[in-house]
Amino acid sequence: DAKTTQPTSMDCAEGRAANLPCNHSTISGNEYVYWYRQIHSQGPQYIIHGLKNNETNEMASLIITEDRKSSTLILPHATLRDTAVYYCIVRAREGGANSKLTFGKGITLSVRP
Amino acid sequence: DAGVTQSPTHLIKTRGQQVTLRCSPKSGHDTVSWYQQALGQGPQFIFQYYEEEERQRGNFPDRFSGHQFPNYSSELNVNALLLGDSALYLCASSLAGGGLNSPLHFGNGTRLTVT
Repeated sequence: DAKTTQPTSMDCAEGRAANLPCNHSTISGNEYVYWYRQIHSQGPQYIIHGLKNNETNEMASLIITEDRKSSTLILPHATLRDTAVYYCIVRAREGGANSKLTFGKGITLSVRP
Repeated sequence: DAGVTQSPTHLIKTRGQQVTLRCSPKSGHDTVSWYQQALGQGPQFIFQYYEEEERQRGNFPDRFSGHQFPNYSSELNVNALLLGDSALYLCASSLAGGGLNSPLHFGNGTRLTVT
């Protein structure tokens, strides 16, 4: 079962920041938070991941609370092409080093013109 | 830098037949995982291959099997196809040495339709 909870959907205006929340209250100290998105009929696209520090790359920023029980993915200037299903995933160590990703239902972000 | 490539992109099979799907990992990656995504659902983990061995397996029957080759590419085989096997099959690759800090990169999948 997925270890995260996300709202079902949200929308934002084009050009504005999109803030996507995720709760992961049972996360353990060595588990990473990963974000992927999936545009219709394509494979999931890696966005960003983090352990406990905030992270930023060319696509987005990831803000993780100090207690690590929740996080927020920020798309600073949303465009119509950012409309997709966004998955927040807690990646846990299970035996080997390359543990699987357990996807939940994700949040559908709709960017309106 | 080529990403994860999968073939074919679409496939139509009949119940009871067998199918083989293929995946080439991202350059530099050595681990391949397969996922099944039914319509309207998130991807579900099938299994993972590293060093030509199955390392982890999800809740899928033995009809689903795989193989990894010395060049790290991989195949997913499904025998005795059922209507319920109709789905998007996704391949993902990663680097074993990176552990949990190594993102999985996905291909665009093979759309399998079983009639």
